[in-house]
Amino acid sequence: GDSVTQTEGQVALSEEDFLTIHCNYSASGYPALFWYVQYPGEGPQFLFRASRDKEKGSSRGFEATYNKEATSFHLQKASVQESDSAVYYCALSPPMPNYNVLYFGSGTKLTVEP
Amino acid sequence: EAAVTQSPRNKVTVTGGNVTLSCRQTNSHNYMYWYRQDTGHGLRLIHYSYGAGNLQIGDVPDGYKATRTTQEDFFLLLELASPSQTSLYFCASRDWDAEQFFGPGTRLTVL
Repeated sequence: GDSVTQTEGQVALSEEDFLTIHCNYSASGYPALFWYVQYPGEGPQFLFRASRDKEKGSSRGFEATYNKEATSFHLQKASVQESDSAVYYCALSPPMPNYNVLYFGSGTKLTVEP
Repeated sequence: EAAVTQSPRNKVTVTGGNVTLSCRQTNSHNYMYWYRQDTGHGLRLIHYSYGAGNLQIGDVPDGYKATRTTQEDFFLLLELASPSQTSLYFCASRDWDAEQFFGPGTRLTVL
């Protein structure tokens, strides 16, 4: 079945470090790919999405590029801040007809030290 | 921006108890969802609906019922709660082919 794998359960960085959180997926065709962010005590928030091979999604300095060949959608940010500390979820929405559901990865907790 | 509210925010019940979690969205989105969030599992879909009176089965439906009474309101029912249902529950809504908007969550503890 369709699934998303996030290999890092936790990532610890210092401010201004470069961030990469890995996301690989398993799905047929061209699923839509998403990143969500969850701050403590809140529900997940949409960060951005990409729907086609080589499409780049971006928001708030974060970005990820849809890679069909590698089945990946890795999250990156050039210079993290303490305020970026949160849990990040990669998710996919299958192609038609099941496009109305999201499958989430297990999440990556990012901690940024000042 | 879409608003999704959940009540109660915290709930404690005993094994075998009857629990109803409520969700309301105010942007007339077609789809509404119930998830549970557990460490190491991320968010897992319990049930969802694409309109009043409609119900679709998610990935982890056992022990849960749900009902969509109006465009705005979606309820999750646990009729015989068990300790394995202790979790953080999120409701979400979305419009056609758009991102999902999540509520603030309900923390449920089953003793």
